[in-house]
Amino acid sequence: SQTIHQWPATLVQPVGSPLSLECTVEGTSNPNLYWYRQAAGRGLQLLFYSVGIGQISSEVPQNLSASRPQDRQFILSSKKLLLSDSGFYLCACAGNTGAYNEQFFGPGTRLTVL
Amino acid sequence: RKEVEQDPGPFNVPEGATVAFNCTYSNSASQSFFWYRQDCRKEPKLLMSVYSSGNEDGRFTAQLNRASQYISLLIRDSKLCDSATYLCVVTRQGAQKLVFGQGTRLTINP
Repeated sequence: SQTIHQWPATLVQPVGSPLSLECTVEGTSNPNLYWYRQAAGRGLQLLFYSVGIGQISSEVPQNLSASRPQDRQFILSSKKLLLSDSGFYLCACAGNTGAYNEQFFGPGTRLTVL
Repeated sequence: RKEVEQDPGPFNVPEGATVAFNCTYSNSASQSFFWYRQDCRKEPKLLMSVYSSGNEDGRFTAQLNRASQYISLLIRDSKLCDSATYLCVVTRQGAQKLVFGQGTRLTINP
């Protein structure tokens, strides 16, 4: 079964600073990878997903970007953070065959922008 | 209208009680359905998939009604450790993307 690593676990950043969150996956190959954000007291919002190296689909316009330089690495970035970027960032992984593509989540990064 | 709607709760029930959550979805093309559980300040974890014929896993029973676009989760003989937020999830676009409900918060009281 797959294991999803995310770091850092917690991050406090000033407004206007850059961001780089990393997600790596073990135990699977050619997975679909996802970035979600969960704001305090709210549901999960899909930010980006990727079906392969270099393939990124964006769900909502924002000041964030994503990259997939390797099969099992997914990076979330920002050049300048906003206060509204605070939240719980979750990376998820799913197989890419069959109808029931259950997603599994990493432990998340809790970001506070001050 | 949200694509997936859940009663946010909170539901406070005594230990041993039976509790049921409902969820409705708006996209009739949705293909797969899941219930996830999320503990406070933790990542969501898959609780169970929901199959067309309904399925049971121990104390948990999930049912799907495609005609009414309705999913349910029943928890019998609830335990203190069942306290969590329960997320209703449906897929769209070739099952590559999940859409999450806001979640229903459940607290089991001793």
